[in-house]
This record gives sequence, C-alpha cells and structure tokens, in this order.
Amino acid sequence: GQNIDQPTEMTATEGAIVQINCTYQTSGFNGLFWYQQHAGEAPTFLSYNVLDGLEEKGRFSSFLSRSKGYSYLLLKELQMKDSASYLCVTTSGTYKYIFGTGTRLKVLA
Amino acid sequence: GAVVSQHPSRVICKSGTSVKIECRSLDFQATTMFWYRQFPKQSLMLMATSNEGSKATYEQGVEKDKFLINHASLTLSTLTVTSAHPEDSSFYICSASEGLAGGTDTQYFGPGTRLTVL
Repeated sequence: GQNIDQPTEMTATEGAIVQINCTYQTSGFNGLFWYQQHAGEAPTFLSYNVLDGLEEKGRFSSFLSRSKGYSYLLLKELQMKDSASYLCVTTSGTYKYIFGTGTRLKVLA
Repeated sequence: GAVVSQHPSRVICKSGTSVKIECRSLDFQATTMFWYRQFPKQSLMLMATSNEGSKATYEQGVEKDKFLINHASLTLSTLTVTSAHPEDSSFYICSASEGLAGGTDTQYFGPGTRLTVL
C-alpha cells in the first residue's frame, strides 16, 4: 500500500534550524517532493529528490534515503514567513502524487 | 516560470446552481492537469486527472457527472461543479505538469478556488 508519515505539528524559533522528517512506503517509487502551503493558499514547490543524498537550495535542503524510505526537509535561519504547512509528497509508478497529511510549522519570534 | 492561474479565487453560489472553475498554465504547455479538493486542515485529495484532448480519469468515489472536467487546450482545463450543494463547499486546487501520464513531472499548483454553496 501507500503510506506517508510526517509529524503533525512542529514549533521553532526565528533564526533557528528545523528538520521535518518524512517516512514513506510506496510501490514503484518515482521520487519525492516537498511543498510549502500557507493557510488558504495552494502548495508551492520546494524540492524534488529522486536519488539518495542531499539537495540544497538556499535556506532549504532536502534529503532522501530510498533504502530507508526516509526523507527530511531542513530549514535554516528560520523566518516568520516560514510558518506554513510542509507537505511530503511521493509518486508511485504512475504520475499521481501521494500526499502526506502535512506538518504545520509555527515559527515564534 | 511555471505559473498556474485559477479563476475565480472565491465563489459563493446558491444550492442547485453550477459553478465553473478555470485553470490555466500561463508560461508552459500543460499536457496533464490535475484537480484536487482540500478540506480544512486536511491534505489534498485528488479528484481527477486530465490530458489535453481526452476524457478525464476520475478517482474512485468522485462522481464524473457532478464534476465535469474539460481539458480543451494545452493551457486550459475547466472544472464544473454541477447542481452544487453545501457539502460541495471546499477549496478546489488545480495543478499542471508538462509531462505525459506515466512519467514523473513536477506539478505546479494554481492559487485555488474557495467555493461556498449556500
């Protein structure tokens, strides 16, 4: 079956670093995406990993381990505007996205 | 690049009426478009997938006669909610990708349409 697990909520302080973990079980894995979604808005693309390792893009980095069915999103130098939901999304053997329930991140001043 | 627009952003309608939502890819050709709905504090639920020029593929449990999808061109897909009822009130989000079904391509999401049925 298809299953994605990520924490429901996290809280961190402005300027800090936070790591959001995601574990998944999917058949025919075809890559893993991270999206950011602010309340009442559509998701915006953050990263895509299909090979093992770390992808860095500015303050955001994403890591993937296919053998462990594990990914994380790392956010550095947190800003208040980073308060949002972060969606871990995998793809199966088809083009369809499989969404996690999302992690609501609160950044405190 | 990769901008997707949706119109309208908000719509309020009376029960029994039909509502059409447009989804456009502004700077790329979207071979595949997806329609999702999202309830508060829940994840996105895929309703259907459409490829330009062919009939949409609906997910299990989604009534195709109620949610009419048309993907008439490589930049436009429409979702029509027919005979809307209060339980259809939701946040509807479209996404678009350049790839064909069967490949993995990044989906770019529109800003969403909040539908309220009175």
